[in-house]
Amino acid sequence: ETGVTQTPRHLVMGMTNKKSLKCEQHLGHNAMYWYKQSAKKPLELMFVYSLEERVENNSVPSRFSPECPNSSHLFLHLHTLQPEDSALYLCASSQEKATSGIGQETQYFGPGTRLLVL
Amino acid sequence: EDKVVQSPLSLVVHEGDTVTLNCSYEVTNFRSLLWYKQEKKAPTFLFMLTSSGIEKKSGRLSSILDKKELFSILNITATQTGDSAIYLCAVDAGGTSYGKLTFGQGTILTVHP
Repeated sequence: ETGVTQTPRHLVMGMTNKKSLKCEQHLGHNAMYWYKQSAKKPLELMFVYSLEERVENNSVPSRFSPECPNSSHLFLHLHTLQPEDSALYLCASSQEKATSGIGQETQYFGPGTRLLVL
Repeated sequence: EDKVVQSPLSLVVHEGDTVTLNCSYEVTNFRSLLWYKQEKKAPTFLFMLTSSGIEKKSGRLSSILDKKELFSILNITATQTGDSAIYLCAVDAGGTSYGKLTFGQGTILTVHP
């Protein structure tokens, strides 16, 4: 158990559905991340939240909408997805260093949500 | 654009063999390099390397970083079937105070009995 939980673990949805993925971290960290892992592709960083503020958005389509209501919770809202969005969605957290930028944070991952879009 | 390349992409060995996995990178604002092991679910953390030439060890696994040549290796000695997994290399190149990882493609290791 890594201290980062994700629900649901598996999700099947149609292209017209709206669903949300949830991530919760119990590590007292102040930064959270959404990653996408598709078959045969490297892990892709989607969103980064630091101190509940989004600091990174790697050109992710607008059908993916993140929400970070507090430092322990992170959501990924999904709507009108495409079959190519089927993948493993991983959440991670880390402790941000409030220094000059020289820091080394390890990211701790949740178990992931395996999403299938039909 | 930050880039992390792993080799080989896949490797098949027998129990007891020693394997070396490679990771090279081209990033700005390098801060650390991390190795993860991924089985059927999320990656699990193995090592974080920040300084050149200092080997990190955990049981049969060890890793070292060369910041001059921009690569790292992960060694596994006396491999076991439980070592079969995807091994991911990632580089933290955030440039600010938050972590931002760029991952390589991974090396698929298969260990046969």
